[in-house]
Amino acid sequence: GQQVMQIPQYQHVQEGEDFTTYCNSSTTLSNIQWYKQRPGGHPVFLIQLVKSGEVKKQKRLTFQFGEAKKNSSLHITATQTTDVGTYFCAGPASGTYKYIFGTGTRLKVLA
Amino acid sequence: DGGITQSPKYLFRKEGQNVTLSCEQNLNHDAMYWYRQDPGQGLRLIYYSQIVNDFQKGDIAEGYSVSREKKESFPLTVTSAQKNPTAFYLCASSKRTVTSNQPQHFGDGTRLSIL
Repeated sequence: GQQVMQIPQYQHVQEGEDFTTYCNSSTTLSNIQWYKQRPGGHPVFLIQLVKSGEVKKQKRLTFQFGEAKKNSSLHITATQTTDVGTYFCAGPASGTYKYIFGTGTRLKVLA
Repeated sequence: DGGITQSPKYLFRKEGQNVTLSCEQNLNHDAMYWYRQDPGQGLRLIYYSQIVNDFQKGDIAEGYSVSREKKESFPLTVTSAQKNPTAFYLCASSKRTVTSNQPQHFGDGTRLSIL
């Protein structure tokens, strides 16, 4: 079946270092969404990418959708302790209204 | 303020007991979803509903049941048939469109434990 995988599963960085998480789908996606879940909290929508090769920025966060629309990445420049949490990508399951969430990347930032 | 309210925040279930988790939204969203999250894991879809009086099974529906009698409400019942119910349960809602391209808004979740 359709799968969405993320790497790495965990990442520990020193505050100020950069961080990147990668999302790979087994099928072509019409769009991809990114969510952030703080420890003990619920996922919060960050952004949606729709176009092939699309790049969007939110302050220190840069999101990219691959040319083949099967992969995506989230890059954080100069991490801060407020960036701690788990980042999920999610893609629509073909022919349905449901989304398949990636396995998530848990980010820890050491001060 | 519009949002999604899940209750209770913590719930304990005895062996052989059915329990119901509440999810209410005032965002006027047509679509609602239930996810299960195990520690350190991603979100797995239990059930989803695109419109009142209609719902579909997700990837892990066995041992769960839902109803969608009102647009605002999508309660989830964890039945005694669910042998490993301990998890964090998240309810979400979104606008409904022809294609899946709407962000999901999540509630604060319910943590269910078995006694």
